[in-house]
Amino acid sequence: AQSVAQPEDQVNVAEGNPLTVKCTYSVSGNPYLFWYVQYPNRGLQFLLKYITGDNLVKGSYGFEAEFNKSQTSFHLKKPSALVSDSALYFCAVRDLGAGSYQLTFGKGTKLSVIP
Amino acid sequence: DGGITQSPKYLFRKEGQNVTLSCEQNLNHDAMYWYRQDPGQGLRLIYYSQIVNDFQKGDIAEGYSVSREKKESFPLTVTSAQKNPTAFYLCASSVLQGSTEAFFGQGTRLTVV
Repeated sequence: AQSVAQPEDQVNVAEGNPLTVKCTYSVSGNPYLFWYVQYPNRGLQFLLKYITGDNLVKGSYGFEAEFNKSQTSFHLKKPSALVSDSALYFCAVRDLGAGSYQLTFGKGTKLSVIP
Repeated sequence: DGGITQSPKYLFRKEGQNVTLSCEQNLNHDAMYWYRQDPGQGLRLIYYSQIVNDFQKGDIAEGYSVSREKKESFPLTVTSAQKNPTAFYLCASSVLQGSTEAFFGQGTRLTVV
């Protein structure tokens, strides 16, 4: 069965500093990995995805993520945090080796950017 | 505008009543999903459907039912058998291709009163 772990419930970072939100995954085959952001009382917005190829993927709003197969990780990063980045972030995985298009999400990490 | 529409945004239900949450998409997506979100528990899959007239249980299907009579629509019924239905419910859709992301509606907040 596929699974995702986000080890930090909350991450605090000062505005202008780099940020990292961690994600590790477990799948039986090759993973398709996604990051989403959620603002209060709203749906999820897609940020970026890793399918294949370059391990560093770039997405919306200056976010990027690094895929590391040996560590089964897909950490979200941004070089310089903004107050407006404060939100709930979810990592998700899809494992086609499992035979379905089911998306499995982590529990989410609340990012707070302090002015 | 293409997208996913969930209605209503807020819903109040008395204990013992069934209630149906609407989800409609005009993205021509084959796959549709229902997730439940509770604080600190992330998103948990209730049901998903990859084709009309077919759907599969997710991790927490007990007390819920769905139908997929049209490609565009995937309504979720929260039955009286669901012991703790108060939550934020999210509907999503995607094409049937593993590399594509899912698109989400704005959610329905259900409160049992």
